[in-house]
Amino acid sequence: GENVEQHPSTLSVQEGDSAVIKCTYSDSASNYFPWYKQELGKRPQLIIDIRSNVGEKKDQRIAVTLNKTAKHFSLHITETQPEDSAVYFCAASPNTGTASKLTFGTGTRLQVTL
Amino acid sequence: NAGVMQNPRHLVRRRGQEARLRCSPMKGHSHVYWYRQLPEEGLKFMVYLQKENIIDESGMPKERFSAEFPKEGPSILRIQQVVRGDSAAYFCASSPVGGSNGYTFGSGTRLTVV
Repeated sequence: GENVEQHPSTLSVQEGDSAVIKCTYSDSASNYFPWYKQELGKRPQLIIDIRSNVGEKKDQRIAVTLNKTAKHFSLHITETQPEDSAVYFCAASPNTGTASKLTFGTGTRLQVTL
Repeated sequence: NAGVMQNPRHLVRRRGQEARLRCSPMKGHSHVYWYRQLPEEGLKFMVYLQKENIIDESGMPKERFSAEFPKEGPSILRIQQVVRGDSAAYFCASSPVGGSNGYTFGSGTRLTVV
């Protein structure tokens, strides 16, 4: 089955700096890669996703890159703000009808300091 | 649209009791997914259901756990004879078609076994 590894487990940046979180996956059949943000005690919320036919996607201060050959994808947050502090999870899925489960990484706790 | 509704939000059970967790998908969504999140860990897939059908239960423990999604009413995740290790947050997600794009998670049920 799919295995997703995520690094780093914790990340502390100063407000205004950039943050980068990296994930690798093992199943070459995976073609859908979402990122979720989870604040303490709350539900995971989808913040951005990318499909395998695209190498990069951007939404305001958030961008995701995908390298299918190397089987890794990354989340980039620019101009970080205190409200970006949360746990971020990457995930992968083959997204082929019945094979719809997401395999999640172990999470990155991002702390944005003033 | 009320979103994915889970209840109860918090559930305390003594060891050996049964726990029933409910999930009502978003309006128009007929596919439901259950995930478990242990403290300080990522989300682990448990089961994927359509109305009256279990599509993928590869993440469900073989004993004590069962899930259903009847023609009418919410999806139910049932845990019999709970043990301390079952203490976790259980999240439900729904989607309109059989794919993992755009999962919307509910707020979760936090089960505590004492």
